Amino acid sequence: ETGVTQSPTHLIKTRGQQVTLRCSSQSGHNTVSWYQQALGQGPQFIFQYYREEENGRGNFPPRFSGLQFPNYSSELNVNALELDDSALYLCASSLVGSGTVSYNEQFFGPGTRLTVL
Amino acid sequence: RKEVEQDPGPFNVPEGATVAFNCTYSNSASQSFFWYRQDCRKEPKLLMSVYSSGNEDGRFTAQLNRASQYISLLIRDSKLSDSATYLCVVRGGADGLTFGKGTHLIIQP
Repeated sequence: ETGVTQSPTHLIKTRGQQVTLRCSSQSGHNTVSWYQQALGQGPQFIFQYYREEENGRGNFPPRFSGLQFPNYSSELNVNALELDDSALYLCASSLVGSGTVSYNEQFFGPGTRLTVL
Repeated sequence: RKEVEQDPGPFNVPEGATVAFNCTYSNSASQSFFWYRQDCRKEPKLLMSVYSSGNEDGRFTAQLNRASQYISLLIRDSKLSDSATYLCVVRGGADGLTFGKGTHLIIQP
């Protein structure tokens, strides 16, 4: 167990709806990254939050947005859901030092499986 | 061209055999390299980091060739429990990880 938790585990929505997914980081971690994994694909980077600020973003439209809270937990919000948004959404937490961002191992949560009908 | 390319397999290998996976990456500025393992319907877990000098962890050996932008993973004396999808992963900087599609390995008794 990594200590990273996500909720809910499964979710079914319809096209056009909005969804909020939640992630609790591993204790002591200050950075959260979100990934989308479609069936048969590798995870695709959505964005990353460091100390409550977005500090990196992948090739996803603005309807994908997020928040990080002072306790380093995080939310992923997706507006105007599309059928192609159906996927496993993974969050990963890590500890990054101040100053130059350096890589530290990312620990993944179990994911939220979103189905859009 | 995809940023990280892997042969998706599946690789069907008898128990006890040696199996090797490769992947290539397109961003020459990439700084960190990893192999992750993902079991069916589970989250990815770090298997090992990959260094230019090559590194070994038990039955697993990883190698990086920066000139060819090529990463490899060798599994010796394969076990049934090694059956999984192996994801080649690259990191370029402050952004998140870039994953390949994964290589599906099936170890047969």
